[in-house]
Amino acid sequence: GQQVMQIPQYQHVQEGEDFTTYCNSSTTLSNIQWYKQRPGGHPVFLIQLVKSGEVKKQKRLTFQFGEAKKNSSLHITATQTTDVGTYFCADFSGGYNKLIFGAGTRLAVHP
Amino acid sequence: DAGVTQSPTHLIKTRGQQVTLRCSPKSGHDTVSWYQQALGQGPQFIFQYYEEEERQRGNFPDRFSGHQFPNYSSELNVNALLLGDSALYLCASSLAPNTEAFFGQGTRLTVV
Repeated sequence: GQQVMQIPQYQHVQEGEDFTTYCNSSTTLSNIQWYKQRPGGHPVFLIQLVKSGEVKKQKRLTFQFGEAKKNSSLHITATQTTDVGTYFCADFSGGYNKLIFGAGTRLAVHP
Repeated sequence: DAGVTQSPTHLIKTRGQQVTLRCSPKSGHDTVSWYQQALGQGPQFIFQYYEEEERQRGNFPDRFSGHQFPNYSSELNVNALLLGDSALYLCASSLAPNTEAFFGQGTRLTVV
C-alpha cells in the first residue's frame, strides 16, 4: 500500500540553526499535509500543499511540494526552543479523507 | 468551540479485556476518523465513520470496531486486548473531505 517515508528520524540542533525534514513517496502524492506534535500532545495541522511545485511560508517555516508530487519538505529557519516536537507529513493517497502518515522527524533544540 | 474531545485521557486494562473509547467531533464536523499511534511512530489509520456507517478501514483486525451516533460522536471498541494494543488512540474530524484534520488530545491506553 501507499507508504510515506520521512527523513531524518531525529535531528538535534542548536538554537538559531536551520532544520529541514523531507517526505518521500514512490508513488504520486495526493495532497500533502504537515502536522506538528509537541511532546505529550496531539498532532496539530500546519499546512496543506496541493499543487506541483507549490511553496508556502509561515513566518520561519517554508513548505515545498516537489514538481513530480513525490516529495515534500519543511524547512525551519533559525530554530527556537518552541519548535521542539515531532513533525509529520501525511498524504490522502490512502483514500477519501484517509491520511497516511510518515513516521515523523523528531526535532530537539538546545539553547 | 470545544474542538475534538476524547475520553478518557488515560486507561489501563488487562490482556483479554475489552475497552471503549469515546470522541466528540468539532462542532459542524460530521466525519470522524480514528488513528492508533504507537510510541515513536506516526498515527496509523484505523477506520472512519460518516453518516453512522464505517466508510473506510485500515489494516486492523476485527477486534477493532466502532460506532457513530446521530449527533456525530463516535466510539472505538477493542476486544480481547493484547499488549501490542498499548498506544495513543487519536480521534480526528474535518469540515470537508481531504482538508485540515482536527485531532483530539487522545486516549493513552496501556494494556498490562
